[in-house]
Amino acid sequence: NAGVTQTPKFQVLKTGQSMTLQCAQDMNHNSMYWYRQDPGMGLRLIYYSASEGTTDKGEVPNGYNVSRLNKREFSLRLESAAPSQTSVYFCASTPLNRAVSNQPQHFGDGTRLSIL
Amino acid sequence: DAKTTQPPSMDCAEGRAANLPCNHSTISGNEYVYWYRQIHSQGPQYIIHGLKNNETNEMASLIITEDRKSSTLILPHATLRDTAVYYCMGAKYGNKLVFGAGTILRVKS
Repeated sequence: NAGVTQTPKFQVLKTGQSMTLQCAQDMNHNSMYWYRQDPGMGLRLIYYSASEGTTDKGEVPNGYNVSRLNKREFSLRLESAAPSQTSVYFCASTPLNRAVSNQPQHFGDGTRLSIL
Repeated sequence: DAKTTQPPSMDCAEGRAANLPCNHSTISGNEYVYWYRQIHSQGPQYIIHGLKNNETNEMASLIITEDRKSSTLILPHATLRDTAVYYCMGAKYGNKLVFGAGTILRVKS
């Protein structure tokens, strides 16, 4: 079982370049999330998609766009990368079935992004 | 979402129980207490969650106080592989998790 797959695992960009981070899950989950993690800090939510066709801003959405391509895939785009966006990016998914309480988020292994 | 407070770090001897505290005094009545951990640079891993009652699974036990203002995660027999950052959060249905700085648990031989 693959779970949540993120590509690429590593990327170096120059300031001003654009980049799309890909995320796919094979667990038929409804909700998907993008987080960033900076050194010594917990994860901060960038955007999330509660269900196919919907997206909402999280805590730190500026400089990012997202696309929920279908139920499996949720991509994160940096249109004009800035050094402040150097971070580790994690994608996660969860069933989000409101009739069920046990719905832990499943995380991918992260994309390590450096912007010079 | 509830604000949580955790100690920045803790040490535990290998084979002993690790007790990680969390204060969540602002948690609302319909928010679950979730615990995750992050080993090195991997993605966070779900450990356990609960609402009011104490919970146990193959990884850990969760003790929630009767007023729900605090909880304790117990790893009954800590191993070196349990060295990680442990996060406590309050959330409904497991979505929109708010990660704080967490507790760095160091298990020492």
